Amino acid sequence: EAQVTQNPRYLITVTGKKLTVTCSQNMNHEYMSWYRQDPGLGLRQIYYSMNVEVTDKGDVPEGYKVSRKEKRNFPLILESPSPNQTSLYFCASRSKNTGELFFGEGSRLTVL
Amino acid sequence: QQQVKQSPQSLIVQKGGISIINCAYENTAFDYFPWYQQFPGKGPALLIAIRPDVSEKKEGRFTISFNKSAKQFSLHIMDSQPGDSATYFCAAIYHASGGSYIPTFGRGTSLIVHP
Repeated sequence: EAQVTQNPRYLITVTGKKLTVTCSQNMNHEYMSWYRQDPGLGLRQIYYSMNVEVTDKGDVPEGYKVSRKEKRNFPLILESPSPNQTSLYFCASRSKNTGELFFGEGSRLTVL
Repeated sequence: QQQVKQSPQSLIVQKGGISIINCAYENTAFDYFPWYQQFPGKGPALLIAIRPDVSEKKEGRFTISFNKSAKQFSLHIMDSQPGDSATYFCAAIYHASGGSYIPTFGRGTSLIVHP
């Protein structure tokens, strides 16, 4: 089954404690991206990657890091989380043929 | 700066009615306009999409109307059903040089269809 898998789905952490949200896709897509969803603000792109070792900033990259060492994986790293990073995070990969974005089921992060 | 403006923020419709969600954009470089549907606890999923060379696309009960000169596009859900209750996001995509794919999403519309 074609899917994008994120972990963890839920996480409560404290300010300053580094965390990583993993993302993996099994569709051999080159393009992957991270979004955060906040009430009233919709989906905002954090970072995207056109291919292995190629990453670029989206609209709201501050406080986040990413890496793309393998085609299937695109982890999101919060080096020093702050309460304003409390949000619902989605990873997505894109089909080059159709342009369709395939989203994971989301990771709800709370930073105390 | 909000590049894609979506309205209304919330919508309540009776079963069998027509749901209409509107989006407006500024950047004429956008060349692909998808709509995504999101159920609670799930990630968004592609519902229907249109390119600017056509004015309308229909898939079942879902229709996109596109007005290039007005820089507006809308989603129409005919014969709305309770199962359509979800959040809907419009998006506008810009394919930059070098293969970059830049999506901009609207802020979403929460649709509730009463039985």
